[in-house]
Amino acid sequence: AQSVTQPDIHITVSEGASLELRCNYSYGATPYLFWYVQSPGQGLQLLLKYFSGDTLVQGIKGFEAEFKRSQSSFNLRKPSVHWSDAAEYFCAVGARTGGYNKLIFGAGTRLAVHP
Amino acid sequence: DAGITQSPRHKVTETGTPVTLRCHQTENHRYMYWYRQDPGHGLRLIHYSYGVKDTDKGEVSDGYSVSRSKTEDFLLTLESATSSQTSVYFCAAGDASSREQYFGPGTRLTVT
Repeated sequence: AQSVTQPDIHITVSEGASLELRCNYSYGATPYLFWYVQSPGQGLQLLLKYFSGDTLVQGIKGFEAEFKRSQSSFNLRKPSVHWSDAAEYFCAVGARTGGYNKLIFGAGTRLAVHP
Repeated sequence: DAGITQSPRHKVTETGTPVTLRCHQTENHRYMYWYRQDPGHGLRLIHYSYGVKDTDKGEVSDGYSVSRSKTEDFLLTLESATSSQTSVYFCAAGDASSREQYFGPGTRLTVT
C-alpha cells in the first residue's frame, strides 16, 4: 500500500541552527515527491518537488531535499533556520491512480523555532 | 495559491443541518480535489473531479457529496452535518502532467 511516514511529530530548533525533517515513503513505482509548508491559519504552499533527475532538489525559502531510493526517503533540510520557518511541514507522494493524480500525505511535522 | 479561493473561510453549524463549501479557481485546472485535515492524519482525500460533471470518491467520502457544473467551481456538500465532520477543509487544483496540486486557504468547519 502507498504511504508516507513522517517520524517526528514535533521538532524544536534554535534560530540559526540547521534543520532536517524526515520523510519515508512506500510506493511501488518511481515516486513523485513533494514537500509542502503550512503556516498557522494558512493553506499549503509547495516548497519543492522531485520528479526525476538530480536527487538533490532545491526549493523556495532556502530549503532543499534529497531523494534516496535505497532508503525510500525524501528528507528536507535547511542549513540555517529563521524564526519565520516555524510552521507545519508535510511530505507527500504523488501517484497516478485510476486516471487521476493522487497525493498521499504524511501526518506532518510541526516545527518550533526558539529565538 | 494559483488563484484558488474558498468560501466561507469559517463556519459553525448544528448537527443535522446541510452545509455547502465552495471552491473557485481561476487557472483552468482540469482536476480539483477536496481534502480534510485533522490532527495526526495529515490531509485525506474526500472527493475529486477530473472534469465538468466528472467526479469520484476519495478515501473518506462517506457523508459527503460534490458537484462541478463549471470548470472553475467545485462544491462540497455535507447533507446532514455530524460532529465527526468538524475539520479544516482544503480545496486543491492541478493538472495531469505535473501531478502538482495547488491549495486554497482552507475552510474551518465546526459542527456543534
